[in-house]
Amino acid sequence: GESVGLHLPTLSVQEGDNSIINCAYSNSASDYFIWYKQESGKGPQFIIDIRSNMDKRQGQRVTVLLNKTVKHLSLQIAATQPGDSAVYFCAENTGGATNKLIFGTGTLLAVQP
Amino acid sequence: KAGVTQTPRYLIKTRGQQVTLSCSPISGHRSVSWYQQTPGQGLQFLFEYFSETQRNKGNFPGRFSGRQFSNSRSEMNVSTLELGDSALYLCASSLGAGGMETQYFGPGTRLLVL
Repeated sequence: GESVGLHLPTLSVQEGDNSIINCAYSNSASDYFIWYKQESGKGPQFIIDIRSNMDKRQGQRVTVLLNKTVKHLSLQIAATQPGDSAVYFCAENTGGATNKLIFGTGTLLAVQP
Repeated sequence: KAGVTQTPRYLIKTRGQQVTLSCSPISGHRSVSWYQQTPGQGLQFLFEYFSETQRNKGNFPGRFSGRQFSNSRSEMNVSTLELGDSALYLCASSLGAGGMETQYFGPGTRLLVL
């Protein structure tokens, strides 16, 4: 039979604008969160991470916000560039001495020049 | 420092065959995890190895197995391949296995089962 693929949400932005990608995570016990970027034909690339004892962390052009009350994570990209076009995944580690990550479904970011 | 490498990059097999995929972690990294990525299910955890021991296993049938060697390199094996095993298999490595470890992914092995 025909398989149904995951429907990826798409965020379309103009070059130079700021982008905000959102993610709802599943487990209130999760204590570590990571954002990955995946370009076509490549493996996920680490962008930024945040621990549950923080609510904000900044990197170069990126900021991650964590709201544990509503189990929500967001990735902000400043001055979005065409090279930022990719699928972005949030991932959570549910705690304990394991590196197992649970991934979100991903968001396709399309940057229009 | 070289990144995570995976071999082969592409593989075509037929139903019923078995396949072995290889992963070399970043130098100094002792933890290796494997994930399966498909359009239908997204990224799903397969298993995790640290110091040659499997520490965690995802919800996959016993046809999926893996191992880690003393040099931290890892292999995964899928026996009696099914069409649904067609996927991108990704390996990730990290320094340790404490849970809050940054994991770096390789480019993946794309497996097509005919």
